[in-house]
Amino acid sequence: DIQMTQSPSTLSASVGDRVTITCRASQSISSWLAWYQQKPGKAPKLLIYKASSLESGVPSRFSGSGSGTEFTLTISSLQPDDFATYYCQQYNSSSPGWTFGQGTKVEIK
Amino acid sequence: QVQLQESGPGLVKPSETLSLTCAVSGYSISSGYYWGWIRQPPGKGLEWIGSIYHSGSTFYNPSLKSRVTISVDTSKNQFSLELSSVTAADTAVYYCARGSSSRGGLDFWGQGTLVTVSS
Repeated sequence: DIQMTQSPSTLSASVGDRVTITCRASQSISSWLAWYQQKPGKAPKLLIYKASSLESGVPSRFSGSGSGTEFTLTISSLQPDDFATYYCQQYNSSSPGWTFGQGTKVEIK
Repeated sequence: QVQLQESGPGLVKPSETLSLTCAVSGYSISSGYYWGWIRQPPGKGLEWIGSIYHSGSTFYNPSLKSRVTISVDTSKNQFSLELSSVTAADTAVYYCARGSSSRGGLDFWGQGTLVTVSS
């Protein structure tokens, strides 16, 4: 099974900061990587799919990059609405399934 | 707009079977996509349980496969989850979601329903 590891687990930042979250896969997943934002009591929201494609309606301050085993989510200028938990997720196209990273909580510094 | 809505008992006894249904509106399940279940124990991360393709093919998380059944009812435009022999470790918020094989992401989610396993 492919394992997904996110770092850091918690990140303290201020409004306006540039924030980067890393996700590593235990083996190559090509570009089958998505990023989600989750706020307390709410369902996750898809931000990025296929490693770098921005989901419709998502602000352009969010961007994704990477391929193979290492991926990053970048928020170019952190906004008050961005304090949340972020999850990466890989999609196994050969035996369809989804595996999530353990999450990164972005807190107010 | 695609909408998903979970329904089912909020309390299940240990050793019994957890049953949930996800009603889909705004899109016909039989038209395509994967339809899946994801859970989140209180204060913890997300775990994919399994998915069903519009054709009826099913795919399960290996760690839960022996206890999970996902089925689809295209006439009602809904799909269902059964998880047998539950324990307290199965207490979680259960989400249903739509998955895309071309994009690899889960683009529409239900709001989630908390299921507690307790006697």
